[in-house]
Amino acid sequence: QKEVEQNSGPLSVPEGAIASLNCTYSDRGSQSFFWYRQYSGKSPELIMSIYSNGDKEDGRFTAQLNKASQYVSLLIRDSQPSDSATYLCAVNWYGQNFVFGPGTRLSVLP
Amino acid sequence: DADVTQTPRNRITKTGKRIMLECSQTKGHDRMYWYRQDPGLGLRLIYYSFDVKDINKGEISDGYSVSRQAQAKFSLSLESAIPNQTALYFCATSDSLRTGGYEQYFGPGTRLTVT
Repeated sequence: QKEVEQNSGPLSVPEGAIASLNCTYSDRGSQSFFWYRQYSGKSPELIMSIYSNGDKEDGRFTAQLNKASQYVSLLIRDSQPSDSATYLCAVNWYGQNFVFGPGTRLSVLP
Repeated sequence: DADVTQTPRNRITKTGKRIMLECSQTKGHDRMYWYRQDPGLGLRLIYYSFDVKDINKGEISDGYSVSRQAQAKFSLSLESAIPNQTALYFCATSDSLRTGGYEQYFGPGTRLTVT
């Protein structure tokens, strides 16, 4: 059974701080990794994808992948109250199905 | 217009009724998925289809069926609804092209309540 694990939170950070969200996965054959943001009652929105080891930056977001440690993270710099949401980590195996983690709830305090 | 649409957006039905949730997409993707989301349980895959003639069961297919009427349309049916099927249902699409990275895009969701 392929698994994706995340701390459920809530993770609380003050406005302007860096929020760090973590995700681990069970299958070393995993190829593609994604971070989604989901506001309460809304659909998941893709914010980052990463396929190779290292860092990938997009605006205030940085995804970090370490395949040896089976670990992927998302850093949000200069956190804003509008970043308050649940962040879902998803993993894809060889173009087959996606497996989602349970999500981490982030709260950015003004 | 939204790339992935779902109808209805909200539905209340009674135990034992048959209902259908519909999904349409204009992204031109060949792969389509149905998920349900329950509080604390995350997203769970119900059915997926990699093309019109390829339909597969997901993690929790019991009590559900699907129909892929065209590349752009994928419907989910609950043959005889029961209260524990009360959940938020999402349709999603992805592209099979490797350059697309298999990124998955979600519709707005259908909130289903079975009484």
